[in-house]
Amino acid sequence: AQTVTQSQPEMSVQEAETVTLSCTYDTSESDYYLFWYKQPPSRQMILVIRQEAYKQQNATENRFSVNFQKAAKSFSLKISDSQLGDAAMYFCAYRSAFMTGANSKLTFGKGITLSVRP
Amino acid sequence: DAGVTQSPTHLIKTRGQQVTLRCSPKSGHDTVSWYQQALGQGPQFIFQYYEEEERQRGNFPDRFSGHQFPNYSSELNVNALLLGDSALYLCASSLARDRGQETQYFGPGTRLLVL
Repeated sequence: AQTVTQSQPEMSVQEAETVTLSCTYDTSESDYYLFWYKQPPSRQMILVIRQEAYKQQNATENRFSVNFQKAAKSFSLKISDSQLGDAAMYFCAYRSAFMTGANSKLTFGKGITLSVRP
Repeated sequence: DAGVTQSPTHLIKTRGQQVTLRCSPKSGHDTVSWYQQALGQGPQFIFQYYEEEERQRGNFPDRFSGHQFPNYSSELNVNALLLGDSALYLCASSLARDRGQETQYFGPGTRLLVL
């Protein structure tokens, strides 16, 4: 079974600074997808960024980028130019690429609470 | 473009009761997944529905059951409620035939409190 570990329960960053959130995972599969989701106090889980394991290039979405280290099974999220609206709980999630179509369950870590200081 | 909607937003029940939660997927999506999120924890997969059938199930007892309707909407039913069932229940939808590209989009959740 796959597991996702987020060992830092909380992090804080100064507005406009850069912060990196860590995630490690364990799997015996060679092909999979990794995600970062953001959950603000409103509770709605919002997709931040997605990485396909077979792609060596790290995914980037505006101020959000990942550092994907497949051999180390590490998938960290970097938030540049942090904004007050970035304050939320961030979850790292794994999905097997062999479970496609109607078998695409996500396995989540416990999450990291990010606070942004003005 | 309507996103994933869930009802009700909040619910209070007592132990032993039964509850039904509802989910309407994002427009164009045909697959619905349900997750349970305890306070301060990550979501745990309950089950997934596609073509009105349960396709995959997580480690949850038979007290948790579901249904998917022809319009792709879904219900989650929990019988004989326990205090430990208190949680945020999240629904996520995706497009099954978008093979390899399925991204799950989440609804706002239903907060269930069991007293």
